[in-house]
Formats: sequence, structure tokens, C-alpha cells
Amino acid sequence: NAGVMQNPRHLVRRRGQEARLRCSPMKGHSHVYWYRQLPEEGLKFMVYLQKENIIDESGMPKERFSAEFPKEGPSILRIQQVVRGDSAAYFCASSPLGGGTTDTQYFGPGTRLTVL
Amino acid sequence: TQLLEQSPQFLSIQEGENLTVYCNSSSVFSSLQWYRQEPGEGPVLLVTVVTGGEVKKLKRLTFQFGDARKDSSLHITAAQPGDTGLYLCAGDNTGNQFYFGTGTSLTVIP
Repeated sequence: NAGVMQNPRHLVRRRGQEARLRCSPMKGHSHVYWYRQLPEEGLKFMVYLQKENIIDESGMPKERFSAEFPKEGPSILRIQQVVRGDSAAYFCASSPLGGGTTDTQYFGPGTRLTVL
Repeated sequence: TQLLEQSPQFLSIQEGENLTVYCNSSSVFSSLQWYRQEPGEGPVLLVTVVTGGEVKKLKRLTFQFGDARKDSSLHITAAQPGDTGLYLCAGDNTGNQFYFGTGTSLTVIP
């Protein structure tokens, strides 16, 4: 039973380029969450998605960031025109029940984005 | 914003010592989770506590949820080097997101 998978594990981009981060949830999970983590800090919520729907994007910057979770395939977090301040570890988590319930989130290994 | 404050922020102890990590908030949570994260990896779930006053034990780790469901503690008995890592608490209020604490970085020296 594979866990949450994220790729790539490491991503290097130059300022102004686009970054695409992918997340495949655990089998049977239809709820996906994206978090950002700076060194030695906790995780900051960005966005919560169900299949084909964005449920809560209150933690995501209004510009340059977008997320999707299509009917088929992984969830994608997309950062356009990256800046140095976007350098961080981005984690995806999945859960079976989702918001509105007492649920458990299972995390992937993360993608470490470095912007040069 | 529902903040979860963890203390201490950093902790360095000798192998065999006991320690307690605290997670406090002014908000009520329907459940609270503890995770451990090692460098370069994602958080790994240790436990979920749901009921106020609940105590759960996982080998040498004891987790307690406060009676008012606003705070929690993690006690480790006879710490080992393998316990080294970043310990994170996260609160769930049955909304759309989990609120993560600031983290406690634990180092156990052999």
C-alpha cells in the first residue's frame, strides 16, 4: 500500500521560471492538502482540494500560485515566475475523509524547491 | 488564525533522560495530532488524540490531550538517539485545514 508520493524530490529553478510540483495521494484518498515549510518552522497551509475542486485556498498567495487535482492523475501545485522567496519545502498530504470531519492526514516526502 | 505554540523550541538532552514537549493554544480543537519529522523527509504521524483528557501511550512516548481540548503534551521516557527529530503538533477543528504548531527540535546525544 504505497504512501503519498511527490515528485520531483528536489527542484532547482532560476528566477522567472515556472515550477510544477506533483502529488499522488494514497490509494483511496480523494482529499489533498498542500503545505509550505521554511527551515526549522512548522507547516503553513496553502490549499485543500478534492477531485476536480478547490475547497479552500485561503493559504495560497493570490498571484503566481495555482493548484489543481484533476479527475485523473496527480495533484499539481504550480508556481509561475518564481522568486527567491519561494524557496522552501512543499509538502502534500492526503486524507480519506477530508474537511468537516475528524480526520488524519498522511504526508508525502516533500519537494524541496530552490530558486537561484 | 488559530495558533499552536510549542515549547521548548529547541531541546538537547543526553540519552536516557526524560523530556516533555508542550503544545498550547487559546482555541479548541476537535482533535490533535503529533508528528515527527526527520531532516529531508515529510512529517510522520505518531498519534491522534480526540477526547479531552485522553492519554495515549506509544512505547516510550506518552501523549495527553488537555481537558478543554486546547493543549497537549508529549512525554518521552529514557530518550534514545533515534528519537531525534522535529516534533510537530497539529490541531483539527473539522474545518478545511490543520493548524500546525511551531515545532520542537529535539536532539538526543548518545
